[in-house]
Amino acid sequence: NAGVTQTPKFRVLKTGQSMTLLCAQDMNHEYMYWYRQDPGMGLRLIHYSVGEGTTAKGEVPDGYNVSRLKKQNFLLGLESAAPSQTSVYFCASRYASGSGNEQFFGPGTRLTVL
Amino acid sequence: AQTVTQSQPEMSVQEAETVTLSCTYDTSENNYYLFWYKQPPSRQMILVIRQEAYKQQNATENRFSVNFQKAAKSFSLKISDSQLGDTAMYFCAFMNPRGANSKLTFGKGITLSVRP
Repeated sequence: NAGVTQTPKFRVLKTGQSMTLLCAQDMNHEYMYWYRQDPGMGLRLIHYSVGEGTTAKGEVPDGYNVSRLKKQNFLLGLESAAPSQTSVYFCASRYASGSGNEQFFGPGTRLTVL
Repeated sequence: AQTVTQSQPEMSVQEAETVTLSCTYDTSENNYYLFWYKQPPSRQMILVIRQEAYKQQNATENRFSVNFQKAAKSFSLKISDSQLGDTAMYFCAFMNPRGANSKLTFGKGITLSVRP
């Protein structure tokens, strides 16, 4: 099992460009999450999904959109990147119940917006 | 809303010694989970230990143990026999398992350095 994978691992964008981050999990988890990590801020939730075709906003959703067309994939989109979106992005997933409510994390994507 | 506070930004410990990392949280819930995650330089988030609030017994995983004080809303992590590989950032996190938005609320993290 690959667990949770993220594509790409690094990316540099110019202000105004768009991109999509892909998260994939092979554990048949129902719930998936996107977090961003900034220095001195811990991890903050951007968006999450409780199942295929459903998404919801987290703490810091502005400037991002998400889609979950397949159960195993959760996409995070930046339509018009801004320097404030320079961050490390983590995807996580877990079962709806059981397994100690543990969230399994991907390796992260470092995004720089110039 | 829940909040998690890690007031120590950095700590240092000698190899083989014991160190305790502090965490406090605020919630009105009675049933919840608490976690400690380790983030080494590789950036990967690794679950160290978890505590279920309804369990009075403190969780233990090998060299890692917690001191869970529910009334005081305190959840500290003790690392015994510190090893160089323990050098990492450590995050305390809270989760209310009820409902769909069972997200993790993280503290700001603490950077732990283990000195040889």
